[in-house]
Parts: sequence; C-alpha cells; structure tokens
Amino acid sequence: QVQLVQSGAEVKKPGSSVKVSCKASGGTFSTHSITWVRQAPGQGLEWMGGIIPMYGTANYAQKFRGRVTITADESTRTVYMELSTLRSEDTAVYYCAREFCSRTSCTFDYWGQGTLVTVSS
Amino acid sequence: QTVVTQEPSLTVSPGGTVTLTCASSTGAVTSGYYPNWFQQKPGQAPRALIYSTTNKHSWTPARFSGSLLGGKAALTLSGVQPEDEAEYYCLLYYGGAVVFGGGTKLTVL
Repeated sequence: QVQLVQSGAEVKKPGSSVKVSCKASGGTFSTHSITWVRQAPGQGLEWMGGIIPMYGTANYAQKFRGRVTITADESTRTVYMELSTLRSEDTAVYYCAREFCSRTSCTFDYWGQGTLVTVSS
Repeated sequence: QTVVTQEPSLTVSPGGTVTLTCASSTGAVTSGYYPNWFQQKPGQAPRALIYSTTNKHSWTPARFSGSLLGGKAALTLSGVQPEDEAEYYCLLYYGGAVVFGGGTKLTVL
C-alpha cells in the first residue's frame, strides 16, 4: 500500500519561499512520478509539475516555471516542492500525488494529506 | 491556454443516474488524453475514481463508470447514494502537461 505523508502547515511572508516535503512509503518509489497539485481556498485543482526520482528531471506547468522547483531524494524516498517569490494568491493546500503510468494509461492514484500554505504579511 | 470545462453543478435524486462531462478547448476528447476522474469531499484530499477513460481503481464502487460521449469524457453514476455528494474533477493529459477541469459540485437531493 502506497502512502504519501506531507510536511505540516506553513505561514509565510510575501516575497519569501516555502518548501513542502512528501515522504513515500510502500510501493516502488524511484520509477514513478511524484506530482504536485494545489488548491486555493474554495477553488479547483491546479497541476504544478512532477518528477520521476530515478531521472531527477522535473516537468513544470508553464504557469509556475521559474518559480517552482521540484526535487527528489531517493535515499529518504522524499520529494520536495519549493515555491519562491510567494504572493497572497499562493495561499492554498498543496498536495503531492503518485503518478502511475503504464504503456496505455496514466493516473494520479495515491495522494498525500495536503499541506496548507498561508501567505500573509 | 488550454481550458477543460465541466458542468459547475448538478443535482440528482438518491437512486438516480447522472452523467458528468469533461470538454477540452482544443477539440474532441479522445482516449489519448487519458481522461481521469476524481472525487473530493470537503476537507479531504481528492480520491481517484477512473483512469484512462474507462478503467476503475480497485477501490472504485461499481456504480461509477467512465466513457467518451459526444466528444467529451464522461463520468456516470448509476444508483446514486447520499455519500456520492461531492465535488468531481476530471483531468486530461496534453503531452507533457496535465490540466484539471474546474470541477462539478454534485448534490444528492
């Protein structure tokens, strides 16, 4: 059984950065992507990007390029998402999810519990 | 910018059947977009229901089914239960990018 456990809630000042972690247990870690999705209060889901730990190269949504960095530590089975130059609009719950892809399908099958990031002066 | 459109809200009676749809601004949705469906209840993380158009996860109740309908991805709930009241999101793959729909709030009344 795959479990994804995220770090705790954060309160940040505008202009600062936040780094959220996602620790995986169970299943195979290195060969499946861990992806990040955020949800602003009362809003829908927004894909930010993901990384396959074995390859170490991240893929980002165009909206977040230049401001988000996703990294992976295979030794601790942990993926990190760092978002910089925070603004109030970045206040959201940030989720990590495992992206499982086969030759003919892809899905976000397991999700973390979410991390609330609040940006406020 | 690619937009994925869902019905903002739908209402269904217990025991009834309802179909939610997912449209792409780029044209007809095909299986190549790997349509996924998720259910989210207040205060909870999303839960995967359907992947690659029609496939169910091991935990997906049998009353949920996915299909392609009139150029859109569709999620049909048959024999709706009160606990199905939730927000439902579709997801489409566009090459290396993923776009979520805006969500459908399903009310069971």
